[in-house]
Amino acid sequence: GDSVTQMEGPVTLSEEACLTINCTYTATGYPSLFWYVQYPGEGLQLLLKATKADDKGSNKGFEATYRKETTSFHLEKGSVQVSDSAVYFCALSGTGNQFYFGTGTSLTVIP
Amino acid sequence: KAGVTQTPRYLIKTRGQQVTLSCSPISGHRSVSWYQQTPGQGLQFLFEYFSETQRNKGNFPGRFSGRQFSNSRSEMNVSTLELGDSALYLCASSLDPRDQPQHFGDGTRLSIL
Repeated sequence: GDSVTQMEGPVTLSEEACLTINCTYTATGYPSLFWYVQYPGEGLQLLLKATKADDKGSNKGFEATYRKETTSFHLEKGSVQVSDSAVYFCALSGTGNQFYFGTGTSLTVIP
Repeated sequence: KAGVTQTPRYLIKTRGQQVTLSCSPISGHRSVSWYQQTPGQGLQFLFEYFSETQRNKGNFPGRFSGRQFSNSRSEMNVSTLELGDSALYLCASSLDPRDQPQHFGDGTRLSIL
């Protein structure tokens, strides 16, 4: 069945460091891919999305490219800030438009 | 416009009791999905409703049930609560099942004593 595997955390970075959170997926057909972010005590917020191969989603300095050949959707940011500290979830919308989420990666950015 | 509203934000129950959680979707959204979030299992899909009909159901026991009303508001019910039901329950809405992405509420934190 459809599934998402993302990098285990937690991840701790210094401010202005580069971030990469790996995400790979298994799906039949052509899923849409998403990154969500969850701040403490809140629900999930959509960070970015890509709906077809080679699409690049971007928002707030974060980027991810839909790579069909490697079935990946890695999240990247060139310079992280303390305010980026949160849990990040990779997700896909697959068969029957049902959402599948990764286990989440906790990011802490220290000044 | 107002986001997805979940009530209550926090609940404390004891084993064997039952509980009902409520979710009001974004105005105009007709699809509502429920998820259980725990530190050990992550986000797990419970069920999805569209136009008062359950479209998809995750791998949870029959103690977990839900429904959707004509105004698209949704409730989920958990009967005979167990310690392992302690979790953050998240509701998400979208215009319809094909509309992406889903918009999440802040969740209901359920604690079982």
